Amino acid sequence: GAGVSQSPRYKVAKRGQDVALRCDPISGHVSLFWYQQALGQGPEFLTYFQNEAQLDKSGLPSDRFFAERPEGSVSTLKIQRTQQEDSAVYLCASSLPGGTVGNYGYTFGSGTRLTVV
Amino acid sequence: AQRVTQPEKLLSVFKGAPVELKCNYSYSGSPELFWYVQYSRQRLQLLLRHISRESIKGFTADLNKGETSFHLKKPFAQEEDSAMYYCALSTTSGTYKYIFGTGTRLKVLA
Repeated sequence: GAGVSQSPRYKVAKRGQDVALRCDPISGHVSLFWYQQALGQGPEFLTYFQNEAQLDKSGLPSDRFFAERPEGSVSTLKIQRTQQEDSAVYLCASSLPGGTVGNYGYTFGSGTRLTVV
Repeated sequence: AQRVTQPEKLLSVFKGAPVELKCNYSYSGSPELFWYVQYSRQRLQLLLRHISRESIKGFTADLNKGETSFHLKKPFAQEEDSAMYYCALSTTSGTYKYIFGTGTRLKVLA
């Protein structure tokens, strides 16, 4: 597609509920990133995929967070047993291979705003 | 520790006045620095990257390794520049992930 597409745009979850957030990157973009943006903060890195391989998951805050990209295109971020502190905007970004980020930067999606009540 | 600091949460200037959005970083190595902008109801988008040394929408930013800064400047602010601005540092190996600052909201007053 022309841009990075994320769905849903808004999600309200009851505490303890599981949620799944979807990201459809730009076709041909090898690298895919997930970021979490809490209110009033800058985005914080969660995890990175190169094609289908999850090469860095150092930013995932707990084992309740899980991400996958099984065919190297669409990615899903899953949060199990949501807590109030998980409320944030979840941003997906894609780019050409890692070594070119310095040249081209990322293309971000519009994000999914998750509210846990 | 790798860190990006944007000391101002809000910067208000009058139309036509010069603008400087401050960004300081801490990184052991040679960083790649970026400015991203988010206009109201729009997605985060790339504004500038230091390696290209370009000027976009009249904005420029120079990497000062001695002062570890990458301030964003524009000589004459326009109302359409009102937005949220984020400075970001990219690691230059491995993941190439970003470390973002907390952002500065620029308001250009008529």
